[in-house]
Amino acid sequence: GAVVSQHPSWVICKSGTSVKIECRSLDFQATTMFWYRQFPKQSLMLMATSNEGSKATYEQGVEKDKFLINHASLTLSTLTVTSAHPEDSSFYICSASRTGAQGEQFFGPGTRLTVL
Amino acid sequence: GDSVTQMEGPVTLSEEAFLTINCTYTATGYPSLFWYVQYPGEGLQLLLKATKADDKGSNKGFEATYRKETTSFHLEKGSVQVSDSAVYFCVTGGSNYKLTFGKGTLLTVNP
Repeated sequence: GAVVSQHPSWVICKSGTSVKIECRSLDFQATTMFWYRQFPKQSLMLMATSNEGSKATYEQGVEKDKFLINHASLTLSTLTVTSAHPEDSSFYICSASRTGAQGEQFFGPGTRLTVL
Repeated sequence: GDSVTQMEGPVTLSEEAFLTINCTYTATGYPSLFWYVQYPGEGLQLLLKATKADDKGSNKGFEATYRKETTSFHLEKGSVQVSDSAVYFCVTGGSNYKLTFGKGTLLTVNP
C-alpha cells in the first residue's frame, strides 16, 4: 500500500510555455502533499506543502506565481510550472502523507522537466 | 529549523564489506528519523525509521539507532551487496509532517 504516482515521468517543453505535473495517491487518502525539487547530485529541496482544499504553503524563495499548486482532492495534487525557462529544468518529486503514518511520506517516482 | 548532516560520498565498497554512513541532526522537539534510499532510475523509498529515542530501525539488513544524547542516526549494514548501490538520505520528520533531508550519500558496491 501507500503508492504515489506522478505523470508525466518526463517532459520537454519550449521556453515560455507552461507545464502541469500530476501527483496521485493511488491507494490512500493523502492528508498533505509535498512538492520537492532535486538538482543533480544534490538533496531534495522542499518547495511547498499543500492540504486538500486550501492554499499551498510555499517555502522561502519559491515563487508562488511561477509554481502553481492545486490540491483539488485527497488523492490529487498538481504542480504547474508557468512560463518555464531553462533554469526551471530539474527533477520534481511529490510525496504524500497520511494520518497515522508517524511523519512518513510516500514519494512519487519524480518528473524530469527539461526546458529548451 | 531542522538540519541534517550526513557523511558525504561517494562511498565505494567491495561486496560483503561493512557499511557505516554517519548522520547527525539538529531539531526542535523530538523528531522522527528516517533513512530513505534512491536506487538508480527509481523514486525515493523508505528504508527504515525510528520514532523515539533508543528505537532501532531495521530493514534489508540495514540498521540505525535513534541516539538522542548524540543526536545521531548512523546507518549500518554488516555485509553489503551490489544491489545496495544507491543514494542514501538521512531525514528528520517534524510534527508538521515536513521532512528535512541530508545531502545524500552515493554508495557504490563492487563485486
